Amino acid sequence: GAGVSQSPSNKVTEKGKDVELRCDPISGHTALYWYRQSLGQGLEFLIYFQGNSAPDKSGLPSDRFSAERTGGSVSTLTIQRTQQEDSAVYLCASTQVPRQTTFTNTEAFFGQGTRLTVV
Amino acid sequence: EDKVVQSPLSLVVHEGDTVTLNCSYEVTNFRSLLWYKQEKKAPTFLFMLTSSGIEKKSGRLSSILDKKELSSILNITATQTGDSAIYLCAVEDAGNMLTFGGGTRLMVKP
Repeated sequence: GAGVSQSPSNKVTEKGKDVELRCDPISGHTALYWYRQSLGQGLEFLIYFQGNSAPDKSGLPSDRFSAERTGGSVSTLTIQRTQQEDSAVYLCASTQVPRQTTFTNTEAFFGQGTRLTVV
Repeated sequence: EDKVVQSPLSLVVHEGDTVTLNCSYEVTNFRSLLWYKQEKKAPTFLFMLTSSGIEKKSGRLSSILDKKELSSILNITATQTGDSAIYLCAVEDAGNMLTFGGGTRLMVKP
């Protein structure tokens, strides 16, 4: 597709269940971000994938959160044993990082997000 | 650790007013600063700034970067109700890592 695709768009789950959120970045984009946005809050960084480098997981709030990016493309964010405070919109963004170091074109393209509600 | 701070946190104006939103940053090896508008879920890109003192303009919106002051402003003139949104600022470092600020919530009343 032309843009970043996230699924599902909405997810309601019971407390304690595991959930998996999916992000399909723009083809060819080497960098992928996951963010979380609680109601009325700014974007909270979760994790960053860049090419074949080890991901930056410094934003993951607890060990219940994990993410993978298979084949440098699709990414899944998994939340185990969900809690009510996990309720938020989870946004994925991808960027095309050019090879030349003197040029920057790091506009991030965002997916439409997954609204997670833990009841 | 890179840090981006936006002010004010929220702002209420009337149609026709001019607003100025602020973004200040602390980042190691700065590459660029970006502004986004978020109305629903997904932020949409507004501007990318890399050079100090050069204004970027799109319609009623304009933005400028001051690398000496480590800050940027986003101006919106003749505001309309459709400008109501959260405005996000992000900075990119040499590793192409983006750090977002907390956003400014703008409400434009008729």
